[in-house]
Amino acid sequence: DQQVKQNSPSLSVQEGRISILNCDYTNSMFDYFLWYKKYPAEGPTFLISISSIKDKNEDGRFTVFLNKSAKHLSLHIVPSQPGDSAVYFCAARGSTLGRLYFGRGTQLTVWP
Amino acid sequence: DAGITQSPRHKVTETGTPVTLRCHQTENHRYMYWYRQDPGHGLRLIHYSYGVKDTDKGEVSDGYSVSRSKTEDFLLTLESATSSQTSVYFCAIGLGDNYSGANVLTFGAGSRLTVL
Repeated sequence: DQQVKQNSPSLSVQEGRISILNCDYTNSMFDYFLWYKKYPAEGPTFLISISSIKDKNEDGRFTVFLNKSAKHLSLHIVPSQPGDSAVYFCAARGSTLGRLYFGRGTQLTVWP
Repeated sequence: DAGITQSPRHKVTETGTPVTLRCHQTENHRYMYWYRQDPGHGLRLIHYSYGVKDTDKGEVSDGYSVSRSKTEDFLLTLESATSSQTSVYFCAIGLGDNYSGANVLTFGAGSRLTVL
């Protein structure tokens, strides 16, 4: 049973606008959340993370928000660029030796 | 660069044959993982290792075994490949301290396996 869910398989956004990718989780014991970006034929690359004790983390154009009561996190990309087009995976860390649980991914397409 | 090498990068094999995928790291990290990526499923953990000869099962471990005889190498073996094991396999290394485990995982480029 999936503990990390990304319910939108795809998202299409115009260049310059905001992209919002959403993620829900079910396990309240998760203590760390991460976003990964994946281009075709490459491995996923780490993008940004947030600890469960925080509600926001910002890194340049990327901001992750965490709402623990709703068990929901989101990734905001502002402004979106065509190079941001990729699959984005949400991941959550369980308590066992750092293993990550991944969502199914959201394909982001940023068009000019 | 994280210093992770996966081999082979591409392999086509037949049902019933054994297959071994190799993950090699150059940075002496303690934690290593094998994931598979399939359409509609995202990334799912197969096995992981927290040290030499210390391994454990992930969520989709049936049909797979692993070995870690040296810090730098983590091998994934399909004893008798099936078509359901056609997938892209990613190795990852974890950065973290001994207590809290790995935080950020760094992934290899992937090994695409096709089982006919």
